[in-house]
Amino acid sequence: EIVLTQSPGTLSLSPGERATLSCRASQSVSSTYLAWYQQKPGQAPRLLISGASSRATGTPDRFSGSGSGTDFTLTISRLEPEDFAVYYCQLYGDSRFTFGPGTKVDIK
Amino acid sequence: QVQLVESGGGLVKPGGSLRLSCEASGFRPIDSYMSWIRQAPGKGLEWISYISGTSHYANYADSVRGRFTISRDNAKSSLYLQMNSLRAEDSAVYYCARTACSGGNCKLDYWGQGTLVTVSS
Repeated sequence: EIVLTQSPGTLSLSPGERATLSCRASQSVSSTYLAWYQQKPGQAPRLLISGASSRATGTPDRFSGSGSGTDFTLTISRLEPEDFAVYYCQLYGDSRFTFGPGTKVDIK
Repeated sequence: QVQLVESGGGLVKPGGSLRLSCEASGFRPIDSYMSWIRQAPGKGLEWISYISGTSHYANYADSVRGRFTISRDNAKSSLYLQMNSLRAEDSAVYYCARTACSGGNCKLDYWGQGTLVTVSS
C-alpha cells in the first residue's frame, strides 16, 4: 500500500507570498494518478489539479503542480486571501483513493 | 451545473445502522462512477467506497468492507451508503463525490457539502 506524506504540516505565509507544498509517495507512482484538492473551513474539498499538473476547471493559474516519481509539488505563485486553506494530495491506484494528511496554509 | 446533495446523517448508537443518500443533478448518472469519502472531526480525508455507473463494480476501503454497502439508483439520480455495525470511529462528515474515470485514472471532480454522522451511546 502506497502512503502519501505531505510537508510541511502548516505553512504560515502572508498574502502575496509564494507557497510551496510537498507531497511524497512511499514508492514511485505515475504522475497521471496524482491530484490536489483545496478545502476551506466548513466547506467540502474542491479538485484543484489532476494528473499532477493539469488545472481543473475554475482553478486560477496562480496554482501549478509539478513532480514525478515520488515527489510532487503544489505551488501557489502569489497567495490571495481566499487561498488560505488546507491542501490534500491524493493518489488513485488499485481501485482506491489514498489521501495525504494535508498541509494547512495559514496567514502569518 | 453539477450538484450533489447528501442527506441521512444523524446520531446513532454503536452497533446501529444508518443509510445515507446523495442526490445528483447536472449530469447523466450512468456516465459516472460515484464515491463516498469521510472526514472525522478535525481530521483528514478518507475514501471509503466507489461504484461504477452501471453498478457492475464497487470497491471499499478495508476499514468499512463487510459493514458498509454502496448502491445507486440512476433512475432517481441517487447514490446510497448503507452503514451497519457502526462504531464510534465511523463518526465523520460523509461526502459524496462524482468520480470521473478515464484511461484507468479516476478523480473526484465534484463534491457535495456533506452529512454528519455521529456514533455515540
